[in-house]
Amino acid sequence: EIVLTQSPGTLSLSPGERATLSCRASESVSSRLLAWYQQKPGQAPRLLIYGASGRATGIPDRFSGSGSGTDFTLTISRLEPEDFAVYHCQQFGVLPYTFGQGTKLEIK
Amino acid sequence: QVQLQESGPGLVKPSETLSLTCTVSSGSMSSSFWSWNRQPPGRGLEWIGYIYYSGSTNYNPSLKSRVTLSVDTSKNQFSLRLSSVTAADTAVYFCVRGGGGYHMDVWGKGTTVTVSS
Repeated sequence: EIVLTQSPGTLSLSPGERATLSCRASESVSSRLLAWYQQKPGQAPRLLIYGASGRATGIPDRFSGSGSGTDFTLTISRLEPEDFAVYHCQQFGVLPYTFGQGTKLEIK
Repeated sequence: QVQLQESGPGLVKPSETLSLTCTVSSGSMSSSFWSWNRQPPGRGLEWIGYIYYSGSTNYNPSLKSRVTLSVDTSKNQFSLRLSSVTAADTAVYFCVRGGGGYHMDVWGKGTTVTVSS
C-alpha cells in the first residue's frame, strides 16, 4: 500500500503567519487523486483540497495545494485563528486508500 | 446539500459483530460511491471500504475478511458490518460520500464505537 508521511508532526505558528505542510508518498500518486482535509477536535474531517490543487466549496483562497509525483504541499498563506487544527492528506487512486498520520497546526 | 448520519450501538462485545447504518438525506445515492472510514482514539484515519450505489464494493485488505458493506437505495441508507471485533476496532466511525476514485466531500459527524465486555 502507499504510505503517506506528513511533516512536520506538529507546527507551531502565530496568526498571520504562513504555514507549509508536507505530504510525501512512498510511490508516485496521481495529483488528480490526492486530497487534503482539515479536522478540528471532536469533529469530522472537512475536505479542503482535491486533485492536489482544487479548493472545495466554501474553502477560502488562503488555502492552496500543490505538488506532483511523491511530494505534495498544503499552504495556508495567512493563518486565521480558526485554521488551527489537524490536517490530513489522502490518496484515493490506489487501493487501499490511505491517509497520512496528520499534521497538528497549533498556536504559538 | 447532502447530509450523512451514522447510527448504531456505541458498545459492542469482543468477538461480536459491529453494525452501523448511514442515512443519506437531502440528496440521492445514485451515481455516487459511499465509504466508511474510522479513527481510533488519538490516531489517524483508516479507510475501511466503499460501495457504489449499485452494490459493487471494495474493501481494505487489512479488514476484508471481516467487513461487509451493503446499500439500500430505497431507504437512502448504506451499512457496515464488521465481525469478530476486538479492542483494536474501538474507534470513531465515519460514513462518507466518496471513494471509487473520487475525493471524500461529505462526511457524517461520526459515531464512537467501543469494543468492551
